[in-house]
Amino acid sequence: AQSVTQLDSQVPVFEEAPVELRCNYSSSVSVYLFWYVQYPNQGLQLLLKYLSGSTLVKGINGFEAEFNKSQTSFHLRKPSVHISDTAEYFCAVSEGYSSASKIIFGSGTRLSIRP
Amino acid sequence: DTAVSQTPKYLVTQMGNDKSIKCEQNLGHDTMYWYKQDSKKFLKIMFSYNNKELIINETVPNRFSPKSPDKAHLNLHINSLELGDSAVYFCASSQDRASSEQYFGPGTRLTVT
Repeated sequence: AQSVTQLDSQVPVFEEAPVELRCNYSSSVSVYLFWYVQYPNQGLQLLLKYLSGSTLVKGINGFEAEFNKSQTSFHLRKPSVHISDTAEYFCAVSEGYSSASKIIFGSGTRLSIRP
Repeated sequence: DTAVSQTPKYLVTQMGNDKSIKCEQNLGHDTMYWYKQDSKKFLKIMFSYNNKELIINETVPNRFSPKSPDKAHLNLHINSLELGDSAVYFCASSQDRASSEQYFGPGTRLTVT
């Protein structure tokens, strides 16, 4: 069975500082990996995804993530954050090419940006 | 143009009532989903339909019944509402059942008093 662990429930950082949101997963098969962002009182929006190929994935709003198979990690990074990045970030995993695309979400990391 | 829309956005009701939440997608996708997000932001899948056929049915009380009149709509009906049903319910859709990229609606905040 798949599972996703987001190690930090909250990450406070200062504006223009770099940030890393950690995500580890477990699965017995090959996986697809995702980061979704949820702004206050809104639905989830796909930030980036890893399906195959290059392990460094670039997403919207300057975010990127690196798939590390040996460490079963998919950490999200941004070199310089902005106030508008304040949101809840969800890491997610699904089994590649399964008969039904069930996405398992992590518990979320709240990113709060201080001026 | 809204890709995945849900109505209502907010729903406040009393225990024991029956209520429905509607979802529509205009993306031409074949597969739709319902998720429940609890007060701690934990997001869990409830159901998935592919071309009006139920393909995912997680451990959900049978008070919850999804209905898909066509592939662009997936409604969620809840009977005999309980306090623990209070949550935000998200609808989502994907191109097909093998596509993992899902597009989410804005959510429906259900409060049971």
